[in-house]
Amino acid sequence: GAGVSQSPSNKVTEKGKDVELRCDPISGHTALYWYRQRLGQGLEFLIYFQGNSAPDKSGLPSDRFSAERTGESVSTLTIQRTQQEDSAVYLCASSLALSTDTQYFGPGTRLTVL
Amino acid sequence: LAKTTQPISMDSYEGQEVNITCSHNNIATNDYITWYQQFPSQGPRFIIQGYKTKVTNEVASLFIPADRKSSTLSLPRVSLSDTAVYYCLVGAPGGFKTIFGAGTRLFVKA
Repeated sequence: GAGVSQSPSNKVTEKGKDVELRCDPISGHTALYWYRQRLGQGLEFLIYFQGNSAPDKSGLPSDRFSAERTGESVSTLTIQRTQQEDSAVYLCASSLALSTDTQYFGPGTRLTVL
Repeated sequence: LAKTTQPISMDSYEGQEVNITCSHNNIATNDYITWYQQFPSQGPRFIIQGYKTKVTNEVASLFIPADRKSSTLSLPRVSLSDTAVYYCLVGAPGGFKTIFGAGTRLFVKA
């Protein structure tokens, strides 16, 4: 079956511009996660959704970052007024339910802020 | 949240067994232990999960001692394609902020 997909696969933008990153989870997965991974580093948790609700937004790096999920399906991570330190791979994962269920990861979106 | 500690890197040779240990001293009663594998330019991939004692699947074994303060991922007879970063996670049902940590970079040599 189809896995987690993310778009775009690569995004190059100029400092100060807004970007939207999209995640399509596996159908039927109620939990969805966003992570950031800088070059050569581990994964940094950003936010998770249970259904369309994000109970804890404290992992978002700044108020320039926001995320939403609709229809218990697609999620969008938006970064406003991008900065060079936002350059990273943004990974999305979904799982059938929260916590112990296996997380299935997408291929990521590589964001480069010039 | 239970913090995990793993070695930063390990080297091995093809055909050897590799054991990667993860420390999680403040693991909670209802926490599970999960290991993921990540190849370059890919998202992490689930390897194995356990709660106590030993779990084995077609890829690896997971050993968890009685006190559950550590766990060991065992990869039998590694090949060059097992070169990757391995992450240990600890978490409980009901929702949690997933912490992957820096992982262990395994390099398998010919």
